[in-house]
Amino acid sequence: RKEVEQDPGPFNVPEGATVAFNCTYSNSASQSFFWYRQDCRKEPKLLMSVYSSGNEDGRFTAQLNRASQYISLLIRDSKLSDSATYLCVVNTPGGATNKLIFGTGTLLAVQP
Amino acid sequence: DGGITQSPKYLFRKEGQNVTLSCEQNLNHDAMYWYRQDPGQGLRLIYYSQIVNDFQKGDIAEGYSVSREKKESFPLTVTSAQKNPTAFYLCASSWSYTIYFGEGSWLTVV
Repeated sequence: RKEVEQDPGPFNVPEGATVAFNCTYSNSASQSFFWYRQDCRKEPKLLMSVYSSGNEDGRFTAQLNRASQYISLLIRDSKLSDSATYLCVVNTPGGATNKLIFGTGTLLAVQP
Repeated sequence: DGGITQSPKYLFRKEGQNVTLSCEQNLNHDAMYWYRQDPGQGLRLIYYSQIVNDFQKGDIAEGYSVSREKKESFPLTVTSAQKNPTAFYLCASSWSYTIYFGEGSWLTVV
């Protein structure tokens, strides 16, 4: 089982739709969780951190479920500009340093 | 502006040549990283450094070398021993477990 797993998609949705991505992680000791956005041929950029209580930033909502070991990202009222790959990142203690594990990403294509 | 600067953005290498990718940050971050990304795959860790004059191998260090002589700089050398070096290389630094990336360098072997 991979340490961090995401549905690769693509998710093809019309403008205005609500779309949700899940990401599962295998190490129950994982401590920090993030969603990054990566545009085609660009570097990943931090979208939002994920807190135990859940957090919202405009049209984006992130949730953490420790019991089931997954995090989610909900995008409401999708825009064409939301089209990108969304990477799940999990920070897990290990050895002398914490270790960041990246999912392979979920591709979102918002259609006009 | 604070950030991470990678150069060159595009680089072509002949087989058998070593090439060095530059990474400079002015964020005052202690930790720096090099990742490789291949099409359709996630980021894979090549090397990381938690402090000046110290660095550790990541998951795919073979064929690569690094140095960390200054806090701001973490250059990556892709040696001729790296069998399949064509990829997108990302340098990053982190603070409080949040990681920030440079714009990346595209390396192509010709």
